[in-house]
Amino acid sequence: GQQVMQIPQYQHVQEGEDFTTYCNSSTTLSNIQWYKQRPGGHPVFLIQLVKSGEVKKQKRLTFQFGEAKKNSSLHITATQTTDVGTYFCAGPRGNYGQNFVFGPGTRLSVLP
Amino acid sequence: DVKVTQSSRYLVKRTGEKVFLECVQDMDHENMFWYRQDPGLGLRLIYFSYDVKMKEKGDIPEGYSVSREKKERFSLILESASTNQTSMYLCASSFHLGTSGASYEQYFGPGTRLTVT
Repeated sequence: GQQVMQIPQYQHVQEGEDFTTYCNSSTTLSNIQWYKQRPGGHPVFLIQLVKSGEVKKQKRLTFQFGEAKKNSSLHITATQTTDVGTYFCAGPRGNYGQNFVFGPGTRLSVLP
Repeated sequence: DVKVTQSSRYLVKRTGEKVFLECVQDMDHENMFWYRQDPGLGLRLIYFSYDVKMKEKGDIPEGYSVSREKKERFSLILESASTNQTSMYLCASSFHLGTSGASYEQYFGPGTRLTVT
């Protein structure tokens, strides 16, 4: 079946360092979504990418969708303690699926 | 402000009990979802509903059933709870399919941490 993988599983960084998580799908995706889950919280939507090669920025966060629409990345510049949490990517099942397959997530720890 | 609420934050049940987890959304969303979240496994879809009385199995439906009698409410039922169903259960909702390849974001509830002893 359709699979979405993420690496790394865990990342520990010093505050101020950069961080990147990578997401790979076994199938071509019509779009990809990213969510953040703070410790003890629930996933919260960050962004959706739809176009091949698309790059979107949210302050220190940069999201990229691969040319083949099978991979994506999230890069955080100069991490802060508020960035702590688990970052999930999610791709729709099939073409224009109504529900999503989530990756296992990357847990980010930021040391002050 | 959009809201998805779940009936309990913490629940402790005994093996063999029938367990009901309730989810209510106030955003008039067509789609509702039940996930379970376990460390290292991410969010795994149990069941999905795209309309009242409509449901589809997700990746791990065994041991679970669902009910959607009203648009705003989606219930997850554990017919006979087992210890391997100890987990965090998350409900989510979204609007129906978007256009031009886009989908709608999912809004999650706070989760129910279920322990089966």
